[in-house]
Amino acid sequence: SQQGEEDPQALSIQEGENATMNCSYKTSINNLQWYRQNSGRGLVHLILIRSNEREKHSGRLRVTLDTSKKSSSLLITASRAADTASYFCATDSSGSRLTFGEGTQLTVNP
Amino acid sequence: EPEVTQTPSHQVTQMGQEVILRCVPISNHLYFYWYRQILGQKVEFLVSFYNNEISEKSEIFDDQFSVERPDGSNFTLKIRSTKLEDSAMYFCASSDRRFPSYEQYFGPGTRLTVT
Repeated sequence: SQQGEEDPQALSIQEGENATMNCSYKTSINNLQWYRQNSGRGLVHLILIRSNEREKHSGRLRVTLDTSKKSSSLLITASRAADTASYFCATDSSGSRLTFGEGTQLTVNP
Repeated sequence: EPEVTQTPSHQVTQMGQEVILRCVPISNHLYFYWYRQILGQKVEFLVSFYNNEISEKSEIFDDQFSVERPDGSNFTLKIRSTKLEDSAMYFCASSDRRFPSYEQYFGPGTRLTVT
């Protein structure tokens, strides 16, 4: 496995439901960041959680980090059709580069 | 809200040609990065740049690649002799990296097509 693996690879839900995406990584990290990418577009920064934090909220987003399990989860509550996108976790281990996972393709059906 | 910008949005070039991709990072950021994403694959780190020099580069960033900050605002990626496998979306990013601001903010990308 590689650093920053998300699961599931694809998730399809109905509008109003919650969406949970998970990310696992291999090495120790300084922080972990979640990004959204609409098809063929740029990466939009969603949230950063530092290695000494366990949970963070931003609007409808909730991120958790378990450094003992080397895993993180992104929860989107009350999803909307506009949340349809690919979601990536990216780990910052070396103080410079981000290492991205494969991403979860989220589809929110109206 | 400040954002990273990139030009052009799409560049088509022939194999063996040189290309320069341009980026304007967020103005008060000190750290600059290039990443690429081959179609259908994950985003890969190429290089980071701080204080007018490369601070880290990946194995992808070979002698065909170079970066430059020619003035106080632009940050460029040059590919000297493009190959078919260089076709990808190239993203520029910038970061403040002064505690607690370690977020990297990405531009919209330049789609490079090598024919």
